[in-house]
Amino acid sequence: KNQVEQSPQSLIILEGKNCTLQCNYTVSPFSNLRWYKQDTGRGPVSLTIMTFSENTKSNGRYTATLDADTKQSSLHITASQLSDSASYICVVSARGGADGLTFGKGTHLIIQP
Amino acid sequence: DTGVSQDPRHKITKRGQNVTFRCDPISEHNRLYWYRQTLGQGPEFLTYFQNEAQLEKSRLLSDRFSAERPKGSFSTLEIQRTEQGDSAMYLCASSSYGTGVDGYTFGSGTRLTVV
Repeated sequence: KNQVEQSPQSLIILEGKNCTLQCNYTVSPFSNLRWYKQDTGRGPVSLTIMTFSENTKSNGRYTATLDADTKQSSLHITASQLSDSASYICVVSARGGADGLTFGKGTHLIIQP
Repeated sequence: DTGVSQDPRHKITKRGQNVTFRCDPISEHNRLYWYRQTLGQGPEFLTYFQNEAQLEKSRLLSDRFSAERPKGSFSTLEIQRTEQGDSAMYLCASSSYGTGVDGYTFGSGTRLTVV
């Protein structure tokens, strides 16, 4: 069964600090992995998307890494800001099939001033 | 084009009533998806369309749920005889499948509260 596990479930850090969110998946055959940011009461917004051959991708202060061998990904946030407070969802796409997306439950990040 | 639009943003309804939500995808996207998301969970797939054809429905989509995309553009999701367990955020997403450009984009969702 395709699964995506994220850790930690929630995280509180002080403004200006860095943090790293983890994603482990068992999705096969793998197509790509995406990180989304979801503000409370809003839809998810794409941060990064990585295919099998990519092992890192940046979007401003967000840097995602992918290890396709160990089936792990991380999202690193640098110099956190209050606006980074949100849920971060890891989504893995399988090749073929219909929807083909497996969602993690997300990490709820709170940035404190 | 300003992205995927969903209407209404919020809906409060009494148990047993019918509700209908609308989703307008990005105009050049041929695929449209519906998801349900409850608090603290990731989105759960409900159904998707390629153009006007509904190609897959999840087991989560009970007989009380029906989705349409009559002209391959906007889509509606109707819930009949709503139950309290239907309270959730209903998300729509669209993408360009088969064109080499993914562009998977979510709307802002419709928050349904059944009282």
